[in-house]
Amino acid sequence: DIQMTQSPSSLSASVGDRVTITCRASQNINFYLNWYQHKPGKAPKLLIYAASTLQSGVPSRFSGSGSGTDFTLTITSLQPEDFATYYCQQSYSTPELAFGGGTKVEIK
Amino acid sequence: EVQLVESGGGLVQPGGSLRLSCAASGFTFSSYEMSWVRQAPGKGLEWVAFISGSGETIYYADSVKGRFTISRDNAKNSLYLQMGSLRAEDTALYYCVRLIALAGLYDVFDLWGQGTMVTVSS
Repeated sequence: DIQMTQSPSSLSASVGDRVTITCRASQNINFYLNWYQHKPGKAPKLLIYAASTLQSGVPSRFSGSGSGTDFTLTITSLQPEDFATYYCQQSYSTPELAFGGGTKVEIK
Repeated sequence: EVQLVESGGGLVQPGGSLRLSCAASGFTFSSYEMSWVRQAPGKGLEWVAFISGSGETIYYADSVKGRFTISRDNAKNSLYLQMGSLRAEDTALYYCVRLIALAGLYDVFDLWGQGTMVTVSS
């Protein structure tokens, strides 16, 4: 089974900050990496797939990079609506689409 | 409207059983692969089970294998999760999710329900 590890598990940031979240896979997953945003009481929302492709309608301040085992999600100029928990997910070993442990982005 | 609506959650004793349902609408249900994903209180997302559009191909997470059964009724546009031998650690919000392949290659969960809560406690 492929294990996904995210860091940090939580972070505090201010509006306007640049935020970077990392995700590491336990084996090479090429570009098969998704990112989701999850707010309390709402369904998770797909942000990025194929490691760096922005899902339609997602603001351009979100970006993804990486390949193989190491990936990053970057939010440039954090907005109030971006405070949420972010999850990476591998889609290499489909359909067993394992998630990372999540990174909670909180207001400083 | 394209949506998934879960039902069937509730309080159940350890060792008990529960059947979750998910009603799909607004799309051709039989054309899509489906999964269940759960989130325990204060924890992250965990993929639970997968079923192909025809229902012929099924996968489970190790944590539920042998205890849970995923199924679907395409005539009723419905997905199910039969849960048995329930444990405290199965307490979670259970989401019904639709799986698609973007760019023909990259599997993602593109449509989620709002979830149904299962609490396993005596």
